Amino acid sequence: AQSVTQPDIHITVSEGASLELRCNYSYGATPYLFWYVQSPGQGLQLLLKYFSGDTLVQGIKGFEAEFKRSQSSFNLRKPSVHWSDAAEYFCAVGFNDYKLSFGAGTTVTVRA
Amino acid sequence: DVKVTQSSRYLVKRTGEKVFLECVQDMDHENMFWYRQDPGLGLRLIYFSYDVKMKEKGDIPEGYSVSREKKERFSLILESASTNQTSMYLCASSHGSGPAKETQYFGPGTRLLVL
Repeated sequence: AQSVTQPDIHITVSEGASLELRCNYSYGATPYLFWYVQSPGQGLQLLLKYFSGDTLVQGIKGFEAEFKRSQSSFNLRKPSVHWSDAAEYFCAVGFNDYKLSFGAGTTVTVRA
Repeated sequence: DVKVTQSSRYLVKRTGEKVFLECVQDMDHENMFWYRQDPGLGLRLIYFSYDVKMKEKGDIPEGYSVSREKKERFSLILESASTNQTSMYLCASSHGSGPAKETQYFGPGTRLLVL
């Protein structure tokens, strides 16, 4: 069955440190891949997406993600975290033309 | 900027009540979605619509219905609210055919409490 997994429920990082959030999927072909962020009290906002081509994708707010076909992964990274990056992050995967499946989310806490 | 608005940020209802959640988008998007968000479960798709008067079941449609009479408006209906429908409800919209490929734009959510 098709599935999306975010293994880390909660990550705490120091401001200025690097951040990596993991996302794995189970699917026979290359799906459509997205990362969304939800700040407290807000709806979700798209950070970046991947469909094909260069496997390193740049997004907004200084985020990037790398698609690794061999590992069925699409991990999100940021070299230096700011306090405003504290939020919940969702990986989403489109397995067919109409439906998007979301991971359970990773909550990021940034400590001063 | 794309704007997706939801009629209420917070809603408290009694068990058995009929509940309407309204969503409006202002970007002439073809596709609209209703999700519920629960801790540890992420977002789960309830229903989506790819055109006026068209609807498709998502992963958890039981206990819900939807209505899309106008392109900009997508309503979620809880015919008889139950306590297990206490949740955050998110509406989203996207452009084009093949919704899974397109960026979805989300409203701020409605936090529903059923007592």
